[in-house]
Amino acid sequence: SQQGEEDPQALSIQEGENATMNCSYKTSINNLQWYRQNSGRGLVHLILIRSNEREKHSGRLRVTLDTSKKSSSLLITASRAADTASYFCATELTGAGSYQLTFGKGTKLSVIP
Amino acid sequence: DTGVSQDPRHKITKRGQNVTFRCDPISEHNRLYWYRQTLGQGPEFLTYFQNEAQLEKSRLLSDRFSAERPKGSFSTLEIQRTEQGDSAMYLCASSKGGGLWDEQYFGPGTRLTVT
Repeated sequence: SQQGEEDPQALSIQEGENATMNCSYKTSINNLQWYRQNSGRGLVHLILIRSNEREKHSGRLRVTLDTSKKSSSLLITASRAADTASYFCATELTGAGSYQLTFGKGTKLSVIP
Repeated sequence: DTGVSQDPRHKITKRGQNVTFRCDPISEHNRLYWYRQTLGQGPEFLTYFQNEAQLEKSRLLSDRFSAERPKGSFSTLEIQRTEQGDSAMYLCASSKGGGLWDEQYFGPGTRLTVT
C-alpha cells in the first residue's frame, strides 16, 4: 500500500510561476525524499530531508517537513518547461530495516511555456 | 556513464513465458533494490539486497518471482510463467549504505508488456 499521498494529483502552471506540491504520510519516518520522473523514464533523486530537519534547499527547490503533521511540501520556484514531470515523495520508515522507500502516487506537473 | 543501468529497456513477452531482467548498480554501492511501477502509480518495493544477501522481500513478490545478486554486484530479476498482471515498469535502484540516511539512485527501468 502507498504510504505517502501527494496533493494535488495534477498541477498546471505558466513558466516562471512557482509550483507547490504536498505530501502526507502515515507513520514515523527516518527521512523523506522527493523524486522526479519524466514520462516513462526512471526516477531522478531531487532532495532528501531527514526527520530531524524542518527545511532544506537545493537550487530552485525548497522542501519542508512537519513531522507533527506528517506532511512535507516541495516548492519549485521560477518554473521552467523542463520541470514538466511527475513528482513523487518517498518515505523511509522508522525501523524498516531494509531502507526501502514507500512512494505516493505522485503529482503530475505541467509547465506551460 | 556511472549511473544504474538496466537491460533490456523494453520486453514484450507472451503470457506463460519466463523473462529475466538485469540491473547493474553504481559501482561500490552495497545496497540494491527492485521496485515495480504500474501506470499512474508510484513505485512499489519488491526486494532488497545488502551485498549478495537478499534481506527482504515484499508480499508482492510471489513465488513466480526470483531475484539474485550472486557476487554482490549486478542483480537479476526473473519472472516465471508471466501473467498479464505482471505488465509494469521494473525499476532497480542502488545506494551506498553505511549510514542512516541513504539516497537511492534509480535506473531507467525495464518496461515489461505481457500479451
